[in-house]
Amino acid sequence: AQSVTQPDIHITVSEGASLELRCNYSYGATPYLFWYVQSPGQGLQLLLKYFSGDTLVQGIKGFEAEFKRSQSSFNLRKPSVHWSDAAEYFCAVGAADSWGKLQFGAGTQVVVTP
Amino acid sequence: GAVVSQHPSRVICKSGTSVKIECRSLDFQATTMFWYRQFPKQSLMLMATSNEGSKATYEQGVEKDKFLINHASLTLSTLTVTSAHPEDSSFYICSARGGLAPEQFFGPGTRLTVL
Repeated sequence: AQSVTQPDIHITVSEGASLELRCNYSYGATPYLFWYVQSPGQGLQLLLKYFSGDTLVQGIKGFEAEFKRSQSSFNLRKPSVHWSDAAEYFCAVGAADSWGKLQFGAGTQVVVTP
Repeated sequence: GAVVSQHPSRVICKSGTSVKIECRSLDFQATTMFWYRQFPKQSLMLMATSNEGSKATYEQGVEKDKFLINHASLTLSTLTVTSAHPEDSSFYICSARGGLAPEQFFGPGTRLTVL
């Protein structure tokens, strides 16, 4: 069965500092990988996605993620965080043979300090 | 593009009543819609998958008679929580995908509070 692990439940980062959120997955084939962001009381916004091809993916809001098959990882990065990046971040895994169903990680809460 | 709306955004109801939540894809045809439930500070839990014109597929442990899902058109799916109880209070989020594209676009969510 596919699974997604986000090892960090909570991360605190200073404004202007770099950010990296970890995501590890377990799946037999190459999955579809996503990062979503959720602000309090809101739905999810897609930051970026990986289906195939270039393993370094650029997303919105200055985020990027790198797919590393050997490590079964899809970590999210941002070189310089802004206070508005404080939110909950979810990594998700999908597969072509599951009607598009997504498996979500537990999420990582990001707090940005001045 | 790819906007999904939900209505209402918040609803408070009495125990034993039924509540209907609508999910609409505004600028694309959603061949598949998904309904999730999210408890405070937790991840999303998939409740069911619905394809236009066919019966919804429910995840294990989700009562299909309690959570009625209708996907009558390519732009609208509804979730009806029947005979709601306080333990049904939660944040319900829908998502939609069009065609064969694997990404899902999420609605803003509906906060249900059952008194």
